[in-house]
Amino acid sequence: EAQVTQNPRYLITVTGKKLTVTCSQNMNHEYMSWYRQDPGLGLRQIYYSMNVEVTDKGDVPEGYKVSRKEKRNFPLILESPSPNQTSLYFCASSLLASQAGGPRSSYNEQFFGPGTRLTVL
Amino acid sequence: DAKTTQPPSMDCAEGRAANLPCNHSTISGNEYVYWYRQIHSQGPQYIIHGLKNNETNEMASLIITEDRKSSTLILPHATLRDTAVYYCIVRVAGNSGYALNFGKGTSLLVTP
Repeated sequence: EAQVTQNPRYLITVTGKKLTVTCSQNMNHEYMSWYRQDPGLGLRQIYYSMNVEVTDKGDVPEGYKVSRKEKRNFPLILESPSPNQTSLYFCASSLLASQAGGPRSSYNEQFFGPGTRLTVL
Repeated sequence: DAKTTQPPSMDCAEGRAANLPCNHSTISGNEYVYWYRQIHSQGPQYIIHGLKNNETNEMASLIITEDRKSSTLILPHATLRDTAVYYCIVRVAGNSGYALNFGKGTSLLVTP
């Protein structure tokens, strides 16, 4: 089954304690991305990756790191979490136009993981 | 990406068709209309997309007006499980893979 998985699904931690949220996809997608969702602010992109070893900042990258050593995995790292990073996090993946065969078939269909609810005390 | 406008909320009786409108009056010729939905706190889910022709799949139908300035997502027989926030997104197909601008969407409540 085609899917994006995230772990853990729920995490409560304390300020300053490094943590990693894993994301994995089994669809051979080039593109992967992390979003955070907060009440009233909607979904905002944190980081994205167009290929292995290629990552770039989204709209709200401060306080986060990512890595893309393998195509299927895109972990989100919080080196020193703070309470303002308490949020619901989603990983997503999709084809790129070059993979999909051209604009018409690059659906912008992003597949999302189930979410990770993080609380930083 | 062109700006979209959706009503903040709508109700629909179970078994009836749910018609969710979206206004995108500044859409350009190479921009597609995409619909996603998010059931409470779950990851957003792709529903359907279109350029100028009406589209139908197993989940929904998409009706795009001839001038492409608005569209309607139709859930033909809404069920309680269709209660969700529905997002209309407009973007160029060549921008596949970039951040989707979800906006605030329409919160659809399907009632028994």
